[in-house]
Amino acid sequence: DIQMTQSPSSLSASVGDRVTITCRASQSITNSLNWYQQKPGKDPKLLIYAASSLQSGVPSRFSGSGSGTDFTLTISSLQPEDVASYYCQQSYSIPTFGQGTRLEIK
Amino acid sequence: EVHLVESGGGLVRPGGSLRLSCAASGFTFSDHYMEWVRQAPRKGLEWVGRVRNKAKSYTTDYGASVKGRFSISRDDSKNSLYLQMNSLRTEDTAVYYCARGADSGSYFDYWGQGILVTVSS
Repeated sequence: DIQMTQSPSSLSASVGDRVTITCRASQSITNSLNWYQQKPGKDPKLLIYAASSLQSGVPSRFSGSGSGTDFTLTISSLQPEDVASYYCQQSYSIPTFGQGTRLEIK
Repeated sequence: EVHLVESGGGLVRPGGSLRLSCAASGFTFSDHYMEWVRQAPRKGLEWVGRVRNKAKSYTTDYGASVKGRFSISRDDSKNSLYLQMNSLRTEDTAVYYCARGADSGSYFDYWGQGILVTVSS
């Protein structure tokens, strides 16, 4: 299986900050990388698919980039409602998720 | 509007069986791959498996931790997805989500609210 490693595992930032979460695959996955947001007690929500495509209805402050093995999720200006855990997921082969990044407001 | 609603969860003894269902509405169910994903308490997401659509002969794939014990099926006439779980272990305790696969399962664009399965003696 392809292993997905996210960093950091947790993150605290201030409202308005630019926030970056990274995801590394154990082998090349081309652009087969998705990002999900999960708020406490809720089901996951698709944010970004195919590495950089913004899912309909997702605020434009969210963006994704990368290809091959290294990927990034960026929140351009952190908002209070962005407090959540974020997961990357590869779809190049049998799906696997990263371990998650917990984002808090400082 | 797309809706996915899981049911059938609960408490089961180790070694026991349980069948989860997922009722879908608001889209052409038969066109889509359907997925199961689980989340153990205070842990991350784990893909359980998928069933493809009729065009792909309803073929299935499973994660390594459930292969041989879990079985996924669907009934397109009822817009329903199923997860048959046998030989359950304590480590199968989790919230189980059904999700719609988009673009031949390349990503999961809609999720149910999840259903808790607890395996304990």
